[in-house]
Formats: sequence, C-alpha cells, structure tokens
Amino acid sequence: DAGVTQSPTHLIKTRGQQVTLRCSPKSGHDTVSWYQQALGQGPQFIFQYYEEEERQRGNFPDRFSGHQFPNYSSELNVNALLLGDSALYLCASSLGGVTYGYTFGSGTRLTVV
Amino acid sequence: QQQVKQSPQSLIVQKGGISIINCAYENTAFDYFPWYQQFPGKGPALLIAIRPDVSEKKEGRFTISFNKSAKQFSLHIMDSQPGDSATYFCAASRTNFGNEKLTFGTGTRLTIIP
Repeated sequence: DAGVTQSPTHLIKTRGQQVTLRCSPKSGHDTVSWYQQALGQGPQFIFQYYEEEERQRGNFPDRFSGHQFPNYSSELNVNALLLGDSALYLCASSLGGVTYGYTFGSGTRLTVV
Repeated sequence: QQQVKQSPQSLIVQKGGISIINCAYENTAFDYFPWYQQFPGKGPALLIAIRPDVSEKKEGRFTISFNKSAKQFSLHIMDSQPGDSATYFCAASRTNFGNEKLTFGTGTRLTIIP
C-alpha cells in the first residue's frame, strides 16, 4: 500500500527563483496539508487543501501557494525564493478529520543558495 | 508565537529504562494531542494520540499522560529499546472543521544506549 509520495526528494535552487513541489496522497485520502520543517525544528503548517480548495492557511506569505487536483494530488509553489526558505517540506494526507491520523511523506529537502 | 513547548531538547536513556518527554500548550481550544516519531530522512509517523476527556492512554510500551488543568501532557516509553532512538514531536490541534491543523513542539532527540 503506497503511502504519501513526494517529489523531488532533493532540490537546490538559487535565491529569487521559483520552485514547485509535488505530492501524491495515500490511496483513499482526500485532504492534503503542507508543512515546512526547518533544521532542528518541528514542522510548521503552511496550508491545507480539500475538494481542490485551500481550506485554511498558516502564517506564511503569499509567495507560498498551492493547488489540489481532481485526483487529490497537490502542488506547493514558492516564488521569489529566499535563503530562509531552505527546509524540508512535508506533505501529509488524511481522510476525514485530524483525529483519523495524518500520513506524512518523507519530504522534499529544498536548499536555496 | 510558540503554542506548544516541548522538553527536553535531547534525552539519553539506557536500554530498558523509561523515557519521558514533556509538553505544555497554551491554547485551551486544542482538543487533540498526538505524538509523532521521526527517523532521519523520513516524515513524522503517528505514534499515539489522546483527547482531553481522558487522563491517560496506553498502547504497548507507549503511554500518554494528560493534565488538562495544567495544560500539560507527556509521553512515557517503557522498556526503551535502541530501535526507539528517533526524534519525537508532540503536537496539538483543534478538531472542528476548517480549523484542524497540527501545531508541533520543537522536538526531542531520544538516544537509547545499550
């Protein structure tokens, strides 16, 4: 049973560039959440998608945007990259509410130079 | 604003001992408290979770203790094993539709030594 799949696994970008990260949720899951995990820190909530709409958003600037497709997969886009955007970006999927458990992917390690 | 505080930052426990990690939260609207385990190069994996109407929950060697009045909860790992060496995160969330998002603590790096 495939869990959450994220691509790419690693990425190096230059400051000012744009990046797109991709996530395929666990089979049967319809909700996708994105988190940013800086080195040595806990994950920070970016936003959540349900029925192709952004349902809620954390304290991240508009440079961070996303999309959910009809097959429930999702993309995270970051524009005008800053050095501080370097982090592990995690995608989590779920069916129903948070109490049913989130399944996290292994993440995309983004390095901005 | 850090809404979930976690301690200690790192912990070394001998094999067979008890590992204890503590968390405190500020937002009384939180009503779901999970613990996640993360190995290097992997995403967090749900370990155990508790709702505030229960003071303790046990699953195998893992126990959550919850103190609603103190706004604190803790994870106890009994008979700790080298395979338990990982980073542990406490988290908290509201459970009403449209407000479900995990707020994580800063993590505890647990090392179990032989």
